[in-house]
Amino acid sequence: GQNIDQPTEMTATEGAIVQINCTYQTSGFNGLFWYQQHAGEAPTFLSYNVLDGLEEKGRFSSFLSRSKGYSYLLLKELQMKDSASYLCAGMDSNYQLIWGAGTKLIIKP
Amino acid sequence: SAVISQKPSRDICQRGTSLTIQCQVDSQVTMMFWYRQQPGQSLTLIATANQGSEATYESGFVIDKFPISRPNLTFSTLTVSNMSPEDSSIYLCSVGQGAPSGANVLTFGAGSRLTVL
Repeated sequence: GQNIDQPTEMTATEGAIVQINCTYQTSGFNGLFWYQQHAGEAPTFLSYNVLDGLEEKGRFSSFLSRSKGYSYLLLKELQMKDSASYLCAGMDSNYQLIWGAGTKLIIKP
Repeated sequence: SAVISQKPSRDICQRGTSLTIQCQVDSQVTMMFWYRQQPGQSLTLIATANQGSEATYESGFVIDKFPISRPNLTFSTLTVSNMSPEDSSIYLCSVGQGAPSGANVLTFGAGSRLTVL
């Protein structure tokens, strides 16, 4: 079956770095997405990886290893506004998105 | 990216009643998607709505329970019929658009939080 696993909750300190991991099992693979969702708001797109390696976008970076079925989202210089849920989603061979349950990130001063 | 207006933002409903959620997009889109998000759980796709044809429902969701309309390329509605407390959830509409990376990126409406008593 298809599955996305990510930690339920993580805590980090303002100004620090945090890595949110995601492992995926999909029928075929057409990319890995990360979305950010603040409480009570809609998810917003953060990143997309389809090739192995690191994609950097400001304070956020996303990494993919297709051979390991693994991705991570790296957040640097954490700010209080980064407190949110981070959703990992894999796209299968039918271009359907398989969503993880999300990782709730708590930032402490 | 597209801007999506979704309403109602929240509602409290009585068991056995039905509620229609509206989704308006500021540009024409081929496909619109309806998702459900229950607390602490992943997004679950209910159906894909194409203009001019019947919606395509995912396993576990049926048209009688979740009828969808798609009268034009900028608007869709999802009705949650004969509601029970198990239908209490956040319902989200979304559209996909191509990004420079080649990905089909989803943009979501703000969601409709339904509580069924």
